[in-house]
Parts: sequence; C-alpha cells; structure tokens
Amino acid sequence: ETGVTQSPTHLIKTRGQQVTLRCSSQSGHNTVSWYQQALGQGPQFIFQYYREEENGRGNFPPRFSGLQFPNYSSELNVNALELDDSALYLCASSSWGARTNEKLFFGSGTQLSVL
Amino acid sequence: AQSVAQPEDQVNVAEGNPLTVKCTYSVSGNPYLFWYVQYPNRGLQFLLKYITGDNLVKGSYGFEAEFNKSQTSFHLKKPSALVSDSALYFCAVRDSSGGSYIPTFGRGTSLIVHP
Repeated sequence: ETGVTQSPTHLIKTRGQQVTLRCSSQSGHNTVSWYQQALGQGPQFIFQYYREEENGRGNFPPRFSGLQFPNYSSELNVNALELDDSALYLCASSSWGARTNEKLFFGSGTQLSVL
Repeated sequence: AQSVAQPEDQVNVAEGNPLTVKCTYSVSGNPYLFWYVQYPNRGLQFLLKYITGDNLVKGSYGFEAEFNKSQTSFHLKKPSALVSDSALYFCAVRDSSGGSYIPTFGRGTSLIVHP
C-alpha cells in the first residue's frame, strides 16, 4: 500500500453534472498530481499541485480544475461532464526535491462513469 | 517533446520462463525512465527507475530493466516468471532537461503468465 487514499472509489454521474474527487497524499509528500486513465490506455497527466499552486498542466480543458490544501490533500473538480470523461482518475503524490517526481505513489483511483 | 512506446499490447509467458516487456522512448535530452505495475482495480506501483549510472537496473519483485541509449530502449525483464506477475505494466519517461517534471506513460502491456 502506498498510503495515498482516494474517495470515492466509484461514482456514476450524468452528462452535464459536476463532480469532485478527493485525494489524501502520503505522509511527508508535498506534491500531488492527477491522471486520467481511459480504458485500455496509459495514465494521461491532468495537472500537478505544489504548495497549493498548480505548477504543471496537461492537455485538458479548463473545466478540469483542482485544489491543494495546506495538509497537501487535493481535489479534482470536473464541470459540465461529458461521456468521454468516463475513466479511472488516479492521484499520485511525491516529494518535490532535487530529483522531482522520480517516484510517484499512486492511489487506487476513482472510477467515474458518465451516463 | 517526450514520448514512450510499448509495442506489445500483450505478452504471454509460461511460469518459470524468462520474460521481457518492451519499451522504447524519445526525449530531447537525457531520459529518466520508469516502470510501474498495475494490478486489477488498483493504482500503479513503482517497480524501478533509471536516472544515471549502470545500464542494468534492479527493482522490486525480482524485476530488472536494461537501458540501451543507442536503441532508445528500456526493456523490463525477469529471469523466471511467476503467475502472480500477471498484471498491466507501464513504461514512463521524463526528459531530464527543459524543466518538465512530468512523466509520460505508455499505453501499457498486459503480461499473462500461464501455470
């Protein structure tokens, strides 16, 4: 077990709704990144947070947004859900340092289904 | 730009036989390379990494990987496969230059070890 916890484990929403996914980082880690893993694909980087600020973003529209809190936990918010947003959403924590993101610790993910 | 390719969607091997899961990469600078494993309904778990130094890297669960700069490859290997090694394996690459700390993941290779 990595010590990274995500909630909920499963979620069903309808198109147009909004969703919030949550992640608690591993103790001692100050960086959180979020990934979208569609069925049969590798994880696609959404964004990364360090010290409560976004410091990296992948090719995702602005309706994907996030937060990092002082305790380094994080939220991923998705507005105006689309059918293609159905995927496993993975949170990964790491420690920002001399070798940033050398090793990511992943949670078990939230399986989002958009109907 | 950085990219990684896993040319095989699936690898089948008999228990006790050696296994190889292939990965090739493309980066502008020097690569940082990673292998992760994903079991059903779980997040990704770190196996091993290559940053610098010896081309043969040893990791968790008896896995190792060989960095080959001329062939831009980082194949995952294990001398004797176990049924419990059956899982999804992801290769990832990060360019050591350019300031990007975000790894790019491959599409994954499903390893099936037959008893």
